[in-house]
Amino acid sequence: QITLKESGPTLVKPTQTLTLTCTFSGFSLSTSGVGVGWIRQPPGKALEWLALIYWNDDKRYSPSLKSRLTITKDTSKNQVVLTMTNMDPVDTATYYCARTQGPLTGVDYWGQGTLVTVSS
Amino acid sequence: QPVLTQPPSSSASPGESARLTCTLPSDINVGSYNIYWYQQKPGSPPRYLLYYYSDSDKGQGSGVPSRFSGSKDASANTGILLISGLQSEDEADYYCMIWPSNAWVFGGGTKLTVL
Repeated sequence: QITLKESGPTLVKPTQTLTLTCTFSGFSLSTSGVGVGWIRQPPGKALEWLALIYWNDDKRYSPSLKSRLTITKDTSKNQVVLTMTNMDPVDTATYYCARTQGPLTGVDYWGQGTLVTVSS
Repeated sequence: QPVLTQPPSSSASPGESARLTCTLPSDINVGSYNIYWYQQKPGSPPRYLLYYYSDSDKGQGSGVPSRFSGSKDASANTGILLISGLQSEDEADYYCMIWPSNAWVFGGGTKLTVL
């Protein structure tokens, strides 16, 4: 059974750095072709892709947020960590992590998401 | 990043078919991309439905009924999700996605109401 679960603070202050952890089970991020990405969704709005890390440590970032994002993995712990600097109230959203096995499978498993509110 | 355009809302009656569209910008050829579709119900994460590239290159998500299918309209540079035999449980938001150059690009979503 494949599961992903996001964890981190529910409230951060403006200008602070957000650190989110995705802990997964049922697959390995050392398997060729596998990747884990982060997607966010502001309340009542659309999905927005943030970052993606592959089994070979290849990393990709949304161009509009690249300067603020860092994605890393710990294969031994089955975790992927996303950091986002200089948080702003517009970053208030539900943050999801999700798995892919490549373009022929899409983004096939998603975590339940974690709501992060940015407010002073 | 490209912007994928989806109508904000659509509606159909139970038993009918719903045709949801995802229009790519004119500088991106729909024929060159897999179009992915996701369903999201309130309070839940998105659920992967399927991808469509061509009739010979497509894939269904695990457990997704065959009444969900994909296609393209090249003349309109559009990806299409067709839901046949609509059921009340199909009422949800639907998002399309493409995967250019190792980035995921989502559309704005369509809220499907089953009347």
